[in-house]
Amino acid sequence: DGGITQSPKYLFRKEGQNVTLSCEQNLNHDAMYWYRQDPGQGLRLIYYSQIVNDFQKGDIAEGYSVSREKKESFPLTVTSAQKNPTAFYLCASSLGAGPEPQHFGDGTRLSIL
Amino acid sequence: AQSVTQPDIHITVSEGASLELRCNYSYGATPYLFWYVQSPGQGLQLLLKYFSGDTLVQGIKGFEAEFKRSQSSFNLRKPSVHWSDAAEYFCAVGMFSGGYNKLIFGAGTRLAVHP
Repeated sequence: DGGITQSPKYLFRKEGQNVTLSCEQNLNHDAMYWYRQDPGQGLRLIYYSQIVNDFQKGDIAEGYSVSREKKESFPLTVTSAQKNPTAFYLCASSLGAGPEPQHFGDGTRLSIL
Repeated sequence: AQSVTQPDIHITVSEGASLELRCNYSYGATPYLFWYVQSPGQGLQLLLKYFSGDTLVQGIKGFEAEFKRSQSSFNLRKPSVHWSDAAEYFCAVGMFSGGYNKLIFGAGTRLAVHP
């Protein structure tokens, strides 16, 4: 079945450490997104990518970085510059640049040790 | 600025009762509207979408939603709620902005179902 796979499901970060969240899709979608979810705040866009080797900052990109070397993969790195990284992170994809629905993975919960 | 408001943070209904979750949006052009559902610790699943045409749209799991342009609303309804419907529900406005497909989400409504 096609879908989006996020790993790991749970991740712990130490002070000063960078951690990378994986997102892989086999839907053959061009566009991919990373969201951060905090209780009572809905979803906020961190980064998005329309095509391979191109990505743009979303609304809360500070302290995060991404790469898009393959169509299927869009990893997110939470850097030590992100001072409040504890959240639920969701990866999504959509077919292209039009207003198609976004399809979501099952998320990664990041906590601070 | 574009925004989505879900006025109810928590709603509790009895199993078998009807349900309406409210969603209001602020957007200057014709919006693309979505409802998603999220079970605890899971991702978001698309319930239904409105792009154009008939303002009453049917979705999965027996849900429907009605687009009312005059009220800038897109309320989600279900005639008879099942215990398995307990989850968090998100309304979203989609737009093509800055060259990409952007979604703006409401803060969500958490639904509890009493037996």
